[in-house]
Amino acid sequence: GEDVEQSLFLSVREGDSSVINCTYTDSSSTYLYWYKQEPGAGLQLLTYIFSNMDMKQDQRLTVLLNKKDKHLSLRIADTQTGDSAIYFCAESFSPHNAGNMLTFGGGTRLMVKP
Amino acid sequence: SAVISQKPSRDICQRGTSLTIQCQVDSQVTMMFWYRQQPGQSLTLIATANQGSEATYESGFVIDKFPISRPNLTFSTLTVSNMSPEDSSIYLCSVTRTGTGTNSQYFGPGTRLLVL
Repeated sequence: GEDVEQSLFLSVREGDSSVINCTYTDSSSTYLYWYKQEPGAGLQLLTYIFSNMDMKQDQRLTVLLNKKDKHLSLRIADTQTGDSAIYFCAESFSPHNAGNMLTFGGGTRLMVKP
Repeated sequence: SAVISQKPSRDICQRGTSLTIQCQVDSQVTMMFWYRQQPGQSLTLIATANQGSEATYESGFVIDKFPISRPNLTFSTLTVSNMSPEDSSIYLCSVTRTGTGTNSQYFGPGTRLLVL
């Protein structure tokens, strides 16, 4: 079955860059996502990358995909205290007649210190 | 994007009772999903709610415990039946939005359930 793994915790200082890493096992993944969950809130889609891309940049966010090593990372430039949250990596595939379901990692709790 | 609402946002229930959670989407979608997030854990898919047919359940989840309705393309309900404290979780409704070159999942705000 699919497996998505993330480190549990990351602490950075405000203004530094944060890099959250994720590894996955399913080589048939078509899309890879990063979700953000702030305390007491639902998941918010931050960004995604299609499996034939190596990199995607969106303002302060940079997603890097190493498909050979099945490694995905999310870099947040100039991290702010408002970035403190849990970040979930997720992968999707398209099984026959089953839409597009996600497999999530365990989440990385990012703590930004002033 | 997709706007998803859930009711109730939270509830405290007694053991042995049942709770029905509603999910409303602002536009028609083919696939709706129900997830559970137990305390300190990541999301687990419960089932896929299909319009016009029975829901498809993941391993470890059964219809008698989590009956699902999908009467139309914008609405679904998940019932947590005969609840026990182990059912205390956040339950999330999710939809897929497919477009040109993109394929995204959107989540409702979640229903926080505490079973005493």
